[in-house]
Amino acid sequence: GAVVSQHPSRVICKSGTSVKIECRSLDFQATTMFWYRQFPKQSLMLMATSNEGSKATYEQGVEKDKFLINHASLTLSTLTVTSAHPEDSSFYICSARDYRKGGNQPQHFGDGTRLSIL
Amino acid sequence: DAKTTQPNSMESNEEEPVHLPCNHSTISGTDYIHWYRQLPSQGPEYVIHGLTSNVNNRMASLAIAEDRKSSTLILHRATLRDAAVYYCILLNSGGGADGLTFGKGTHLIIQP
Repeated sequence: GAVVSQHPSRVICKSGTSVKIECRSLDFQATTMFWYRQFPKQSLMLMATSNEGSKATYEQGVEKDKFLINHASLTLSTLTVTSAHPEDSSFYICSARDYRKGGNQPQHFGDGTRLSIL
Repeated sequence: DAKTTQPNSMESNEEEPVHLPCNHSTISGTDYIHWYRQLPSQGPEYVIHGLTSNVNNRMASLAIAEDRKSSTLILHRATLRDAAVYYCILLNSGGGADGLTFGKGTHLIIQP
């Protein structure tokens, strides 16, 4: 089945550090990938839509200069949390859909990255 | 996006069937009903989806009401590994480039 790999699974770093998270579709191509954030005991919230070869689309309230997204190939999207602060600590999850199979096909999720900023 | 309503939590016993309900009274004719589940500390996992007819796969069955205003996810024989938060999400057939809108879902507790 379709697999999405996310790396790293866990990051602990000091305030002010920039952190890059990678999301790869391993056995299919994804022109669009999605980034979500989940705070403890809450549901997933869509942060942005990553489009291959063009700018990402951010949801209202998500700072594009804070959360840099690059989707340079059909199998890789990266999310960089710049100058991270403790309030950025969260569970970040990416997903992708194989568009060759039609628009109503399911999204496949990575295992998430738990980011802890000290 | 059309909204879905699910119970906050449900409890079941191991090896018994589980029926997880979802109401979506404002569903449009081109909205697909998707179900995902999220185990603790993991990303969501696709379970099943359908449009009008009931669907079966190796994980579960999806029963869709004739008027499509509600649906039920059926786990035929629950195991402890099925303990998770289950999300019922509507996705329009033209929404291939859209992210998913997650509600609060149903927290399924499985008792041994």
